[in-house]
Amino acid sequence: DAGVTQSPTHLIKTRGQQVTLRCSPKSGHDTVSWYQQALGQGPQFIFQYYEEEERQRGNFPDRFSGHQFPNYSSELNVNALLLGDSALYLCASSLWTGGRMTEAFFGQGTRLTVV
Amino acid sequence: DQQVKQNSPSLSVQEGRISILNCDYTNSMFDYFLWYKKYPAEGPTFLISISSIKDKNEDGRFTVFLNKSAKHLSLHIVPSQPGDSAVYFCAAKGSGGSNYKLTFGKGTLLTVNP
Repeated sequence: DAGVTQSPTHLIKTRGQQVTLRCSPKSGHDTVSWYQQALGQGPQFIFQYYEEEERQRGNFPDRFSGHQFPNYSSELNVNALLLGDSALYLCASSLWTGGRMTEAFFGQGTRLTVV
Repeated sequence: DQQVKQNSPSLSVQEGRISILNCDYTNSMFDYFLWYKKYPAEGPTFLISISSIKDKNEDGRFTVFLNKSAKHLSLHIVPSQPGDSAVYFCAAKGSGGSNYKLTFGKGTLLTVNP
């Protein structure tokens, strides 16, 4: 059973560029959340997708956008990259059932470096 | 405003002894708490959780204690093993409209010495 898979694992971009990160959730999961983890910090919630819609958003600017596909996979897009966007981007999947989410399973992350 | 705080950036213990990792929170709406373990170059791995209706949950060597009045929880690892060396994150989830996201602390680096 494949867990949460993210691609690419590492990425270097230039300031001002745009980037797309991808995530495939764990089999059977229908909810995908994205987190940003800066160096020395805990993961910070960006947003969550459920039924192909953004269900909740954290304190991130509109440069951060996402999408969820019918097969539950998801993309995170960041436009107009800033040096401060350099971080580990984590995707987490879970199952929405009985009015609550099951524990989130995380992928290995995408390390984004903006130069 | 950091709603989940792990005030000890690091902890070092001897193999076989108890490891105690602490976490404090400020948001009274949090009703579910989780601990994750993270090795370098890997994503966080779920370890153990506790609902606010309980004060203790045990799973093998791992026990989580919750003190709601103090807004404090702790993770006990007994006995500690060198393979437990990792960064441990405390996370909290709220009820109702904030039920969807996890709020994390900054993590505590645990080193278990042989």
